[in-house]
Amino acid sequence: EIVLTQSPATLSLSPGERATLSCRASQSVSSYLAWYQQKPGQAPRLLIYDASNRATGIPARFSGSGSGTDFTLTISSLEPEDFAVYYCQQRSNWPQITFGQGTRLEIK
Amino acid sequence: QVQLVESGGGVVQPGGSLRLSCAASGFTFSSYGMHWVRQAPGKGLEWVAFIRYDGSNKYYADSVKGRFTISRDNSKNTLYLQMNSLRAEDTAVYYCAKDIRTTDYYFDYWGQGTLVTVSS
Repeated sequence: EIVLTQSPATLSLSPGERATLSCRASQSVSSYLAWYQQKPGQAPRLLIYDASNRATGIPARFSGSGSGTDFTLTISSLEPEDFAVYYCQQRSNWPQITFGQGTRLEIK
Repeated sequence: QVQLVESGGGVVQPGGSLRLSCAASGFTFSSYGMHWVRQAPGKGLEWVAFIRYDGSNKYYADSVKGRFTISRDNSKNTLYLQMNSLRAEDTAVYYCAKDIRTTDYYFDYWGQGTLVTVSS
């Protein structure tokens, strides 16, 4: 099983600041990585797939990068609605799909 | 617009069974793979099962293999999850999710979820 480790567990920032979230895989997943946003009481929302492709309707302030074992989700300038939990997910060794444990992005 | 609406959750005793449904609309259901993903209370996401667009292939997480069965009825635009031999650790919100393409294992649309509680 490929283990995804997200860091930090919690990130405290202010609106307008830049957020950098990390996801590290226990073995290479090539570029087969996605990022999701989840707000309390809501279903997750796909932000990024294949490491760097923005999903339909996702604002340009969200960007993804990386390959192999190290990946980054960057939010260039935080909006109030961006404070949520973020998960990474790999599909490299489907059908054994795994998610990271999540990073909570909170308002400082 | 794409809509996925789950139903069938509830409280069940350990060892019991439950069948979840997911009604799909707003896209060509028969052209896309579909998944079930669950989330235990206060925990992260866990992929549960996948079914190919035509139902010809099905895959399961090791944690549910042999106990859960995914199926679909393309004539009714509906996805199912039959859950047998339920355990306390199966307690979670269960989401149905649409594959971004036919078999890409990324989830671009999700339902609102249905809560399954396994407790005596």
